[in-house]
Amino acid sequence: EDQVTQSPEALRLQEGESSSLNCSYTVSGLRGLFWYRQDPGKGPEFLFTLYSAGEEKEKERLKATLTKKESFLHITAPKPEDSATYLCAVQASGNQFYFGTGTSLTVIP
Amino acid sequence: DAGVTQSPTHLIKTRGQHVTLRCSPISGHKSVSWYQQVLGQGPQFIFQYYEKEERGRGNFPDRFSARQFPNYSSELNVNALLLGDSALYLCASSLEGGSRPQHFGDGTRLSIL
Repeated sequence: EDQVTQSPEALRLQEGESSSLNCSYTVSGLRGLFWYRQDPGKGPEFLFTLYSAGEEKEKERLKATLTKKESFLHITAPKPEDSATYLCAVQASGNQFYFGTGTSLTVIP
Repeated sequence: DAGVTQSPTHLIKTRGQHVTLRCSPISGHKSVSWYQQVLGQGPQFIFQYYEKEERGRGNFPDRFSARQFPNYSSELNVNALLLGDSALYLCASSLEGGSRPQHFGDGTRLSIL
């Protein structure tokens, strides 16, 4: 069964304290893995797409990596404005999309 | 440039009624997808349309249907509403129907009484 699992469910960090969010997946024929950020009351905001194992993408304090079974979103020296829910999604070969339940990140000043 | 726009932003219906939600994609985007997001959960995929044809379907009952118009805008229709249909309905657009990034609107909040 195709599924996406994100961990931890919630994460509290001090400002400047780096950490990683995990997205593990089982899917038939991965076409792409996507990371999004979602703020309360808003739609998800696109961050990264990864297509193959070994691929990495970076944007400001965020870095996404991909292996054959999981993806990590590394947050370096986070700031309070990085507080949000981070969602991982995969696209399967049947053109279906599967989202995880997200990691709620709180960065404390 | 305008992002993905959805209407209405909020809607209240009663059980058994029908609802139509609307979505306008980003200019130049030809693919539209619909998702249902229940509070505290990730979005669940309902449909993807590309060039007016259905390209993907999630595990939702036949009460859910959608279509895409020549200008690439889209409608999601839900018949015989149930209490469990209360959710945030999100629309996302992408350049094409492949594995391109999807860009989301802020959704329609549907409440069923």
